[in-house]
Amino acid sequence: KNEVEQSPQNLTAQEGEFITINCSYSVGISALHWLQQHPGGGIVSLFMLSSGKKKHGRLIATINIQEKHSSLHITASHPRDSAVYICAVRRETSGSRLTFGEGTQLTVNP
Amino acid sequence: KAGVTQTPRYLIKTRGQQVTLSCSPISGHRSVSWYQQTPGQGLQFLFEYFSETQRNKGNFPGRFSGRQFSNSRSEMNVSTLELGDSALYLCASSYYRTSYSGNTIYFGEGSWLTVV
Repeated sequence: KNEVEQSPQNLTAQEGEFITINCSYSVGISALHWLQQHPGGGIVSLFMLSSGKKKHGRLIATINIQEKHSSLHITASHPRDSAVYICAVRRETSGSRLTFGEGTQLTVNP
Repeated sequence: KAGVTQTPRYLIKTRGQQVTLSCSPISGHRSVSWYQQTPGQGLQFLFEYFSETQRNKGNFPGRFSGRQFSNSRSEMNVSTLELGDSALYLCASSYYRTSYSGNTIYFGEGSWLTVV
């Protein structure tokens, strides 16, 4: 079993829909990242969370440390949100090393 | 400020050759990590460097090595290339090794390596 599990693996939505991507992990962590990867390879860190909730524009990320679970929400989705979203965790004792989920391929249709 | 710069962006090598990839972190960042991304294995950690010292190493064979210079620039080397080494190699930098709310991680665009 992977240390970081994401669901769903693939998600297709219509423009304007509310989207949720989930991440569960099985190890003690110091932080959790939500990353976005567009075709071409480059990765952008959307959020880094160690507790609670963060919001940036239409994106919201939450984490429940006790339940070892995090969610990424996209409100009013847009075709430009189409990308792979990756959950990654920093273990408590691993410095800046990240362990990644398999990613969620999101496609938002106009 | 300039982002994380990786060179070269694309390269094709033959089995048995070696390759060196370069990563220039954001100015002032001292932590550099390297990752391999393949369709089958996803993203996997290769190594982490902080202040010229390797602090962490992933589960890769000894053919994969790296180093960090005094200006925080880092290189990774893969010797005796195999077909399975074809991948996107990503470098990431951050100011500190540890996590705190302001210590965001920044990724480069990656180096696409094809081994033929």
